[in-house]
Amino acid sequence: AQSVTQLGSHVSVSEGALVLLRCNYSSSVPPYLFWYVQYPNQGLQLLLKYTTGATLVKGINGFEAEFKKSETSFHLTKPSAHMSDAAEYFCAVVGGGADGLTFGKGTHLIIQP
Amino acid sequence: SQTIHQWPATLVQPVGSPLSLECTVEGTSNPNLYWYRQAAGRGLQLLFYSVGIGQISSEVPQNLSASRPQDRQFILSSKKLLLSDSGFYLCAWSSLRTDIQYFGAGTRLSVL
Repeated sequence: AQSVTQLGSHVSVSEGALVLLRCNYSSSVPPYLFWYVQYPNQGLQLLLKYTTGATLVKGINGFEAEFKKSETSFHLTKPSAHMSDAAEYFCAVVGGGADGLTFGKGTHLIIQP
Repeated sequence: SQTIHQWPATLVQPVGSPLSLECTVEGTSNPNLYWYRQAAGRGLQLLFYSVGIGQISSEVPQNLSASRPQDRQFILSSKKLLLSDSGFYLCAWSSLRTDIQYFGAGTRLSVL
């Protein structure tokens, strides 16, 4: 069975600073990995995904993530945080029925002015 | 383009009352459909998925049921709500051509 661990339920960074949100996964097969963002009282929006090929994946809003098989990690980064980045971020791996997603518990990103 | 609709946006129901949440998808055919629940402190959990009309699979045992009466309609129901059914319910769809799931705006359910 697949599983996802997100380290840190809350991460606080200053505006303009590097954003790093950590995600480690467990999968018995080559994983498909995703990062989603959720703004308050809204659904989830896809930031980026990794399936095969290039291990550094670029997404929307300046985010990117690197798949590291040896570390079973898929950390999300952004060079310079913006106030609008404040949201809940979820890492997910394909693991349920009909390719249902298995999510981590989420990381709440706080941006300090 | 494809869109997904969920309603209602918020719902307050007494314990023991019935529930019906509806999700519809437009602009695609034969989608895979999913219901997730987001409960406080527990992250997102897959509840049901469907690969076709009348085909429902449950990921976890619970007080809820799902139905798919039409190709692009997915309904989440309960005969008698429990306090533990409170949460944020999200519907999602994906197509066979892509591994991406697209989510609706969600329904906030409070059982009192």
